[in-house]
Amino acid sequence: EAQVTQNPRYLITVTGKKLTVTCSQNMNHEYMSWYRQDPGLGLRQIYYSMNVEVTDKGDVPEGYKVSRKEKRNFPLILESPSPNQTSLYFCASSLGTGGSYEQYFGPGTRLTVT
Amino acid sequence: AQSVAQPEDQVNVAEGNPLTVKCTYSVSGNPYLFWYVQYPNRGLQFLLKYITGDNLVKGSYGFEAEFNKSQTSFHLKKPSALVSDSALYFCAVRDGNYGQNFVFGPGTRLSVLP
Repeated sequence: EAQVTQNPRYLITVTGKKLTVTCSQNMNHEYMSWYRQDPGLGLRQIYYSMNVEVTDKGDVPEGYKVSRKEKRNFPLILESPSPNQTSLYFCASSLGTGGSYEQYFGPGTRLTVT
Repeated sequence: AQSVAQPEDQVNVAEGNPLTVKCTYSVSGNPYLFWYVQYPNRGLQFLLKYITGDNLVKGSYGFEAEFNKSQTSFHLKKPSALVSDSALYFCAVRDGNYGQNFVFGPGTRLSVLP
């Protein structure tokens, strides 16, 4: 089954404790992206990647890191989480980088930072 | 920079009546426009897109959207609403000429009343 998977689905952590949210897709997609969803703000793009070793900042990259060492994986790293990073996070992928392709979304990761 | 507005936080419609969810956008170049739907506790699902060509695009579940360049709008429509259409709807845009990032609107919650 074609899908985007994220782990963990739920995470409660404390301020400053480094964490990684994994994202994997099995569709051989070139483009991958991370979003955060906050009430009233919709989805805001954190980082995106157009291929292996090619990443770029979205609209809200501060406090986050990403890497794309393999085509299928695109982990999101919070080196020192803070309470304002409490949010619902989505990973997405799409076939190409031309921008005309729809994105496939993972099920989401609900992160709480206390 | 591109932006998306969804002027209504909430749209209520009776089952069987037509529905419209509004979206306006701003981009410097050619707009690539998308509609996604989010059901409770789920990721986003693609509904339809406008890249080029016919201004009226048809998508999944009987939804359609009309691209209006002069009004910079891309409203989502359905001739006859179902209770199962109740969900959160997001409009998204990518500038076809600049960059690889996507911008989403804040979302509109659609409630279809039986």
